[in-house]
Amino acid sequence: DGGITQSPKYLFRKEGQNVTLSCEQNLNHDAMYWYRQDPGQGLRLIYYSQIVNDFQKGDIAEGYSVSREKKESFPLTVTSAQKNPTAFYLCASSITWGAGTEAFFGQGTRLTVV
Amino acid sequence: AQKVTQAQTEISVVEKEDVTLDCVYETRDTTYYLFWYKQPPSGELVFLIRRNSFDEQNEISGRYSWNFQKSTSSFNFTITASQVVDSAVYFCALKEDPGTASKLTFGTGTRLQVTL
Repeated sequence: DGGITQSPKYLFRKEGQNVTLSCEQNLNHDAMYWYRQDPGQGLRLIYYSQIVNDFQKGDIAEGYSVSREKKESFPLTVTSAQKNPTAFYLCASSITWGAGTEAFFGQGTRLTVV
Repeated sequence: AQKVTQAQTEISVVEKEDVTLDCVYETRDTTYYLFWYKQPPSGELVFLIRRNSFDEQNEISGRYSWNFQKSTSSFNFTITASQVVDSAVYFCALKEDPGTASKLTFGTGTRLQVTL
């Protein structure tokens, strides 16, 4: 089945630790995205990648880092510099970055700082 | 700057009732795209519909229908004869088309609870 796989589903992090969230897609999509979801705030864009080996900051990139070494993979690292990392993280992809293309989402990773 | 407003935070209905979810958007572009997504308890956002700014024709898909009105900058979503399986958070989103990279801006979502 084609789709987007995020792992793990639940992740617990101690303060001061970096953690990496995995996102893999087998849809052959060029563009990939990371969103953060907080209660009552909708989804906010963290980073996006239009093509392999390229990525750009979104609206709330501080404290996060990404890489796009392979078309199908777009991992997100939440660094210790992110002051409030507890949230629900969603990865998405679309055929291209173009405005008319819809994004397809993974099932998300819920990160909790303990 | 683009903005999407979903004023209804939560809606509760009894099964078989019709329900309309409101979406109002702001944009300076003449070319843009509007989307609706459903987020069930599992967390994954499910794409429902895409509409471009030049197509104001309303659309119906089964029990779902969408009313796009540029005059009021609204893109409302109606579920007819609601069912318990419709319970979810619904997001409206906007993507401008400036010719280069554009981002998807989401509203804050409307939580729909359908009870028996």
